[in-house]
Amino acid sequence: QKEVEQNSGPLSVPEGAIASLNCTYSDRGSQSFFWYRQYSGKSPELIMFIYSNGDKEDGRFTAQLNKASQYVSLLIRDSQPSDSATYLCAVNNQAGTALIFGKGTTLSVSS
Amino acid sequence: GAVVSQHPSRVICKSGTSVKIECRSLDFQATTMFWYRQFPKQSLMLMATSNEGSKATYEQGVEKDKFLINHASLTLSTLTVTSAHPEDSSFYICSATRGGWETQYFGPGTRLLVL
Repeated sequence: QKEVEQNSGPLSVPEGAIASLNCTYSDRGSQSFFWYRQYSGKSPELIMFIYSNGDKEDGRFTAQLNKASQYVSLLIRDSQPSDSATYLCAVNNQAGTALIFGKGTTLSVSS
Repeated sequence: GAVVSQHPSRVICKSGTSVKIECRSLDFQATTMFWYRQFPKQSLMLMATSNEGSKATYEQGVEKDKFLINHASLTLSTLTVTSAHPEDSSFYICSATRGGWETQYFGPGTRLLVL
């Protein structure tokens, strides 16, 4: 059973701090990695994706991928209360036909 | 952007009835659509993958005769929950891709409550 693991949290950070969200995956064959944000009662929205080892930056968000360690993370700089949500990590399945989602990490940013 | 809509957003029905949920890609042609179910505080569980003009591919454990999926056009897929029971109460979310499975754009979801 291929799995995507995330710490459920809640992760609490003060406004303006850096929030670090982590995700590990079990399938070494995974090639594509995604971070989605889901507000309570809403559907997920794509934040960013990463395919290659290293860092990828998009505004206040940075995704980091380490395939050797089977680890992907999301950093949120200058965290805002509006960033408070559940963050879902997703990786492609072995067949490359679908995404497998983690259970998500709940982030709470206090003002 | 890529906008995906779902209808209805919320539905309450009696046990034993059937419920149809529509998923539409509004500004792009979706070759593939996915249907997920999410229980409270749980992750998204993929139910099936739907390709236009062909039969849906169901995940293990998902009853294809209970969850009927039709992908009749490049912009519309429907999920029908037949003979719904209280345990089918959940948040049903569709997503669509322009091609393949990579970047998925999610609909707003449909909250189903079966009494």
